[in-house]
Amino acid sequence: DTEVTQTPKHLVMGMTNKKSLKCEQHMGHRAMYWYKQKAKKPPELMFVYSYEKLSINESVPSRFSPECPNSSLLNLHLHALQPEDSALYLCASSQGRWSSGNTDTQYFGPGTRLTVL
Amino acid sequence: QQPVQSPQAVILREGEDAVINCSSSKALYSVHWYRQKHGEAPVFLMILLKGGEQKGHEKISASFNEKKQQSSLYLTASQLSYSGTYFCGTRPLRDSNYQLIWGAGTKLIIKP
Repeated sequence: DTEVTQTPKHLVMGMTNKKSLKCEQHMGHRAMYWYKQKAKKPPELMFVYSYEKLSINESVPSRFSPECPNSSLLNLHLHALQPEDSALYLCASSQGRWSSGNTDTQYFGPGTRLTVL
Repeated sequence: QQPVQSPQAVILREGEDAVINCSSSKALYSVHWYRQKHGEAPVFLMILLKGGEQKGHEKISASFNEKKQQSSLYLTASQLSYSGTYFCGTRPLRDSNYQLIWGAGTKLIIKP
């Protein structure tokens, strides 16, 4: 089973709203990722959690706040977003860098289509 | 540096073959290939780890030329279901960041 689930599928929010995106995997993966993807562009890495610790923050604005409550869950808290933040937000997971003999393949969830008005 | 994918787009008739290339300026540990259909998530196709290694997935195969830092994805006897955007993700050989660096993508359109 290589399933990563994300909720909600679609989200429309105003610039003053606070909302959260959720991601879950039950593959025993120890690395989880948030990506942002604009139309016709490759995924753009935002954050990486490795063994439940934030290991990479790609200079993302503070209006995006990640959280990893446990090894299976990943949240992305959104506050005071801008219209240009509208995009497809993808969660992915992988075994993790330090897993022996693995290729650290990333498996993606279906994404949340976010529209900021 | 982002790997260079070519072509940017290709239109085929069902049953025709296609080759998509991914070139990096850095020495690579691995190349990962994904396909993304419109409005959906990228789906993992295969990973290439060694120079000259070829892998296959149904009628889709790939090679990795370690000396040229280049990987090619081969789609033979293309089917309508092969339509989508293909991305390569590269992992440099000496990169403490250990993250995938994504190519810009190749859009493949298959017509009946």
